[in-house]
Amino acid sequence: DQQVKQNSPSLSVQEGRISILNCDYTNSMFDYFLWYKKYPAEGPTFLISISSIKDKNEDGRFTVFLNKSAKHLSLHIVPSQPGDSAVYFCAASGGSNYKLTFGKGTLLTVNP
Amino acid sequence: EAGVAQSPRYKIIEKRQSVAFWCNPISGHATLYWYQQILGQGPKLLIQFQNNGVVDDSQLPKDRFSAERLKGVDSTLKIQPAKLEDSAVYLCASSGGVGEEQYFGPGTRLTVT
Repeated sequence: DQQVKQNSPSLSVQEGRISILNCDYTNSMFDYFLWYKKYPAEGPTFLISISSIKDKNEDGRFTVFLNKSAKHLSLHIVPSQPGDSAVYFCAASGGSNYKLTFGKGTLLTVNP
Repeated sequence: EAGVAQSPRYKIIEKRQSVAFWCNPISGHATLYWYQQILGQGPKLLIQFQNNGVVDDSQLPKDRFSAERLKGVDSTLKIQPAKLEDSAVYLCASSGGVGEEQYFGPGTRLTVT
């Protein structure tokens, strides 16, 4: 049972345009959501997060939107840059040990 | 600040052999995690330590996997005996405490033939 779903295995965008990565979750107990970026042969690195008490969090070119009623979140990257090309993982947590549940990831390719 | 160190980076073994992975977390980080990432999947938590105590090992296949964190610093993850389906990247992460940002190491890529 996949509790965090990233239904798009890959996404390709042009440099300078917006990249939108989507994530859906099924567990109502999740109350904290994170996005991680992963380059080949490296471990994931934290990008941005959002608590369930918010519906938007912004950090520079990265914005995460949360729609609790739809159990959906999205990551917007504006403007997209070639260095943003990586696999992006959505993760969620809830409960006392803050255990992270990851989606399968979306490979973003930003073309120059 | 040094990041999370893992070794070896790559390992190839035959099925039924044993293997061990080592992780050195960021200095001062009390919480340490081991994840398994199978190709095409997201990381899956195997075990979480708080200092040298286990917080969560609900997804650790205990018949063949074991992990320890002696003295609350370094950790080792062992697989004995390995199966073909254990082929994956094993990621170690650490955080200052439970619920704090997790920092990942580069991972160990295990291939079981």
